[in-house]
Amino acid sequence: DVVMTQTPLSLSVTPGQPASISCKSNQSLLHSDGKTYLYWYVQKSGQSPQLLIYEVSSRFSGVPDRFSGSGSGTDFTLKVSRVEADDVGVYHCMQGLNLPLTFGGGTKVEIK
Amino acid sequence: EVQLLESGGDLVQPGGSLRLSCAASGFTFSSYAMIWVRQAPGKGLEWISVISGSGGSTYYADSVKGRFSISRDNFKNTLYLQMNSLRAEDTAVYYCATALAVVVVAAPHYWGQGTLVTVSP
Repeated sequence: DVVMTQTPLSLSVTPGQPASISCKSNQSLLHSDGKTYLYWYVQKSGQSPQLLIYEVSSRFSGVPDRFSGSGSGTDFTLKVSRVEADDVGVYHCMQGLNLPLTFGGGTKVEIK
Repeated sequence: EVQLLESGGDLVQPGGSLRLSCAASGFTFSSYAMIWVRQAPGKGLEWISVISGSGGSTYYADSVKGRFSISRDNFKNTLYLQMNSLRAEDTAVYYCATALAVVVVAAPHYWGQGTLVTVSP
């Protein structure tokens, strides 16, 4: 199984400041079709996960452009350019290359 | 609008059985693979099963293989998860999800609100 490792475990951010979350996989997520199957989700308190970013860097419908994804191969980053109060939640990365789909352990983002 | 509504979660004793349902609307249900993901209290997300649009292909996580069975009724636009031989470690919120993709190896784009299964004496 592909192992996904997220850091940090938690993050406390001042509103208006940037935030960055790292996600590493133990094998490349680059498919032979040229796409890299790395996804980011946010799970707000008491809610189901919501897709933010698909295939490393594409924002899902309705996701603000404050959110951006980058990376390649085994190293990926989610960045929030200016954190807002509504961004509080747990952020999960996930690989969609192979079954079983596997998730990182999650990063809890809080507001200072 | 894609809507997924899970039901069937309950308190069940170890060794017991439960069937979860997920009613889907807003898309052509029979065309797409469907996924179950669970989340134990205070823990991360765990993919547990996927079924193809026709129902002809199914895959399971090792943690539930041989105990859980995924199925679908494309006439009722409903996804199921039959859970047998339940253990305490199966206690979790169970989400159904879909990528609106034909392939079974696809990341969930849309999620239901989840249903809680508690396995306890």
